[in-house]
Amino acid sequence: EPEVTQTPSHQVTQMGQEVILRCVPISNHLYFYWYRQILGQKVEFLVSFYNNEISEKSEIFDDQFSVERPDGSNFTLKIRSTKLEDSAMYFCASSPGLASSGANVLTFGAGSRLTVL
Amino acid sequence: SQKIEQNSEALNIQEGKTATLTCNYTNYSPAYLQWYRQDPGRGPVFLLLIRENEKEKRKERLKVTFDTTLKQSLFHITASQPADSATYLCALEEAGGFKTIFGAGTRLFVKA
Repeated sequence: EPEVTQTPSHQVTQMGQEVILRCVPISNHLYFYWYRQILGQKVEFLVSFYNNEISEKSEIFDDQFSVERPDGSNFTLKIRSTKLEDSAMYFCASSPGLASSGANVLTFGAGSRLTVL
Repeated sequence: SQKIEQNSEALNIQEGKTATLTCNYTNYSPAYLQWYRQDPGRGPVFLLLIRENEKEKRKERLKVTFDTTLKQSLFHITASQPADSATYLCALEEAGGFKTIFGAGTRLFVKA
């Protein structure tokens, strides 16, 4: 079964450092997403991406965050200068979009745990 | 913006019983509502989707209802098993774009 792949599974970084989290979405999916989940809290939407541009973003997704699809397979989330409160699990997700089923069903990766010290 | 409310208290039930989880939303009624399962340290996994014109949807031991008047969905697991122990998330799409939002989830424990 096709899956969304995320790397690294765990990254530890010092406050102020840049971090790049990588994702390989399902190959025929058109929409890509990043979510985060702080320990013990809910899954929070960060950003959605379609046709090489951001479709929606939340208030969490400020100037410190950026996304990119550098080639036909990878989708990355960059945090420019990490803060302690960025410590969380970051999930990438992809979906085929509405056209295939009339509903936007997401397939998630296993997540990248980011620890900021 | 849409708000989703799920019972934050964990639900403890005995194996073989039916688990019922509740999802309430506060604003406009969405075209569809989804349920996902999340195991500790893992990403959510899609389970079921129900559309606004459907009252009930079933998949194996799972049943979902959708009441757009009450702005509520109920998620049932019949003949529950310890392997059903997980957090179950309700999800809706915000109007106007590709932004699926999740409730905080209800943790289910099924005891053998």
